[in-house]
Amino acid sequence: DAKTTQPNSMESNEEEPVHLPCNHSTISGTDYIHWYRQLPSQGPEYVIHGLTSNVNNRMASLAIAEDRKSSTLILHRATLRDAAVYYCILREYPASKLTFGTGTRLQVTL
Amino acid sequence: DAGVIQSPRHEVTEMGQEVTLRCKPISGHDYLFWYRQTMMRGLELLIYFNNNVPIDDSGMPEDRFSAKMPNASFSTLKIQPSEPRDSAVYFCASSSQVDSYEQYFGPGTRLTVT
Repeated sequence: DAKTTQPNSMESNEEEPVHLPCNHSTISGTDYIHWYRQLPSQGPEYVIHGLTSNVNNRMASLAIAEDRKSSTLILHRATLRDAAVYYCILREYPASKLTFGTGTRLQVTL
Repeated sequence: DAGVIQSPRHEVTEMGQEVTLRCKPISGHDYLFWYRQTMMRGLELLIYFNNNVPIDDSGMPEDRFSAKMPNASFSTLKIQPSEPRDSAVYFCASSSQVDSYEQYFGPGTRLTVT
């Protein structure tokens, strides 16, 4: 499975934007980039995914580098509820399985 | 839809006992996944099914673990006999190719083996 590298932890102030980086230098042309997050005492939840182009949804934006060797998850205005572990995962097309790494623990403070 | 349903939410058992965890996926989803999460090893994929057929069980730790999916709306993960090192949170998730394989996770079963 292609590997991703994320910082162990990040901090943000509430109502400020947060940029969560992910490196995936060995990504192949058919790998999709998925982001999930896990709130305390809950199962992971889907955030966003993309292949080559930047993506936006109601939760976040995903910026993908032109060479696809890195990506950034952008939370436009962090709230206390966004404190979670964020996982960047490569899904090998056409497989459906995901391999979770250690993720980035995001702390949001007032 | 109620989402992915798992039962029980908590299970405490003694070493050597059989444990059965249950999962009801979201209706219409054709993939079902079983994960285990511990502090030491993080979130690990144990096994997944497509249309009730096991596709990849390479993550199942040993023969004490078995999983079945007798129909599209029910799956079980069984541990027999259980050991203290099996203590973890077990998650079930389901997805659909139509939905870009977005996985929906259940609330998990916290298993404690004493």
